[in-house]
Amino acid sequence: GAVVSQHPSWVICKSGTSVKIECRSLDFQATTMFWYRQFPKQSLMLMATSNEGSKATYEQGVEKDKFLINHASLTLSTLTVTSAHPEDSSFYICSAPKEVGQGYEQYFGPGTRLTVT
Amino acid sequence: SQQGEEDPQALSIQEGENATMNCSYKTSINNLQWYRQNSGRGLVHLILIRSNEREKHSGRLRVTLDTSKKSSSLLITASRAADTASYFCATANQAGTALIFGKGTTLSVSS
Repeated sequence: GAVVSQHPSWVICKSGTSVKIECRSLDFQATTMFWYRQFPKQSLMLMATSNEGSKATYEQGVEKDKFLINHASLTLSTLTVTSAHPEDSSFYICSAPKEVGQGYEQYFGPGTRLTVT
Repeated sequence: SQQGEEDPQALSIQEGENATMNCSYKTSINNLQWYRQNSGRGLVHLILIRSNEREKHSGRLRVTLDTSKKSSSLLITASRAADTASYFCATANQAGTALIFGKGTTLSVSS
């Protein structure tokens, strides 16, 4: 199956700093990728859609200036959490759709655990 | 936004017993998927059922879909301690691209 990687797998940063998380599709190209956030003991919440060559689309309630998304190439999307605060501590997961037949199959990265102290 | 509810939120059973989890969704769908997530880890895709299917099997997993009730169930038979995890149903968003997840059921299987 297709592989999506994330880097780093975990990161600890100080309040007020920025953190960049990378999502890569290793063996297929993805013009679109998705970013999710998951708080402890909760479900995954879609944050935004990353679009190669155009601006990201954010879900309602997600601050686009706080969560900067750049789809640098057909295999790489980055999520930058700017001026991180403890409430941004969460598990961030990306996914990339791969065309399969007449539809798409989503491939998920292993996630990045962010802890803001 | 969340697509719907999973029921129950938490389930504790003994090894060998069957576990049934239910999922309800709000919009019309092309398919519904079930995922497993071990604590603090990534997602594992379990099974996909299309809107024109009523039941699907994969090993010890049995999924049903009732589009008239907008609900699905996941049955794990002869559960094992290794089945301990959170289980989520997911459907596509309106654009048909991203997946929207239910709230999940946390399953605990004790030996």
